Amino acid sequence: DAGITQSPRHKVTETGTPVTLRCHQTENHRYMYWYRQDPGHGLRLIHYSYGVKDTDKGEVSDGYSVSRSKTEDFLLTLESATSSQTSVYFCAISETVGDEKLFFGSGTQLSVL
Amino acid sequence: DAKTTQPTSMDCAEGRAANLPCNHSTISGNEYVYWYRQIHSQGPQYIIHGLKNNETNEMASLIITEDRKSSTLILPHATLRDTAVYYCIVRGSARQLTFGSGTQLTVLP
Repeated sequence: DAGITQSPRHKVTETGTPVTLRCHQTENHRYMYWYRQDPGHGLRLIHYSYGVKDTDKGEVSDGYSVSRSKTEDFLLTLESATSSQTSVYFCAISETVGDEKLFFGSGTQLSVL
Repeated sequence: DAKTTQPTSMDCAEGRAANLPCNHSTISGNEYVYWYRQIHSQGPQYIIHGLKNNETNEMASLIITEDRKSSTLILPHATLRDTAVYYCIVRGSARQLTFGSGTQLTVLP
């Protein structure tokens, strides 16, 4: 597997609490992505980053924010978690854009009660 | 990005070739065809991609029709570990890869 580590692997939290998921890469790839995966919806892009401090929204960005202060780390924050954000979250990286291969982490299972 | 259509599920006998079809009739000239797979509880894994020509790597072969409206992913000698959901994705200049529902391939012993 590409050097991608997601933490935590599992988290249970309560509605209304803030949650931060971390993605750490050792590949020095420029592009990083956060996806969520839910039954019946496939994988949907939340946010992505095309460099340090450069981020943009994906198709399901409401309720999420991201930060990238270093090449290797991409953080996903749920400011006030809701039950609809219960999902499996995947981080991905790619070296280039336009003709890219994505490499995915192992995922974080988040349950919001 | 063009929409893709894949069968919901397929079975294949172990050791035989698995041929997974994908229709992308609205594909435009600059859009690539990508294939990924996802083994249960793991992150998706890149398999192969192509634009016009057929492609082969250590995992699979990708056959794209001349009109580019469909493609087939071929796993030449399927093993039990190839049981997974296979996603066909057509992607243009946007940065986003959109994953649909894919095909559940089950390799039978």
